[in-house]
Amino acid sequence: EDQVTQSPEALRLQEGESSSLNCSYTVSGLRGLFWYRQDPGKGPEFLFTLYSAGEEKEKERLKATLTKKESFLHITAPKPEDSATYLCAVQAGTASKLTFGTGTRLQVTL
Amino acid sequence: ETGVTQTPRHLVMGMTNKKSLKCEQHLGHNAMYWYKQSAKKPLELMFVYSLEERVENNSVPSRFSPECPNSSHLFLHLHTLQPEDSALYLCASSQGNNEQFFGPGTRLTVL
Repeated sequence: EDQVTQSPEALRLQEGESSSLNCSYTVSGLRGLFWYRQDPGKGPEFLFTLYSAGEEKEKERLKATLTKKESFLHITAPKPEDSATYLCAVQAGTASKLTFGTGTRLQVTL
Repeated sequence: ETGVTQTPRHLVMGMTNKKSLKCEQHLGHNAMYWYKQSAKKPLELMFVYSLEERVENNSVPSRFSPECPNSSHLFLHLHTLQPEDSALYLCASSQGNNEQFFGPGTRLTVL
């Protein structure tokens, strides 16, 4: 059974204080790993897809990386508007199903 | 309208009511999904409609019934719900097995 574990559960940073969120996964035949951002009361917003170990993708202050066992979402010099819950999900084989982790709740303060 | 839309955004219903949630995608995708999101739990896939085929999570109770009349519209019919069914219900769409795009969700409260 596919499993996704995200850590930490919650993270509080000061503005400008860089950090990383972790997503560890166990899956048979990884097809893709997805990162989403979710604001309170809203649906998840797609950020990145990573397909193979060593792949990296960037968007503004966010950078996602992938190894054979885990993915990291690096946040460089965060701002208060980066506060949200960040979700990681994996897709295996030819199925469309996504298996999600429980997310990391990020709070960035001034 | 753009992206994925859901109505209603909020719904309060009694255990004996029957209601329906509606989802519409404006992205030209060929697959649609229903997810349930409860506090402190991961998003749980309930149903998938892909190229007019239906795939379902066998753990979903029969009081939830999906309907997909075409590739742009998806419904979730609700009847005889329980208080533990209170959650955020999210609709998503994708082109094949590519990334899924989510709607804003329907916050459901069952009294």
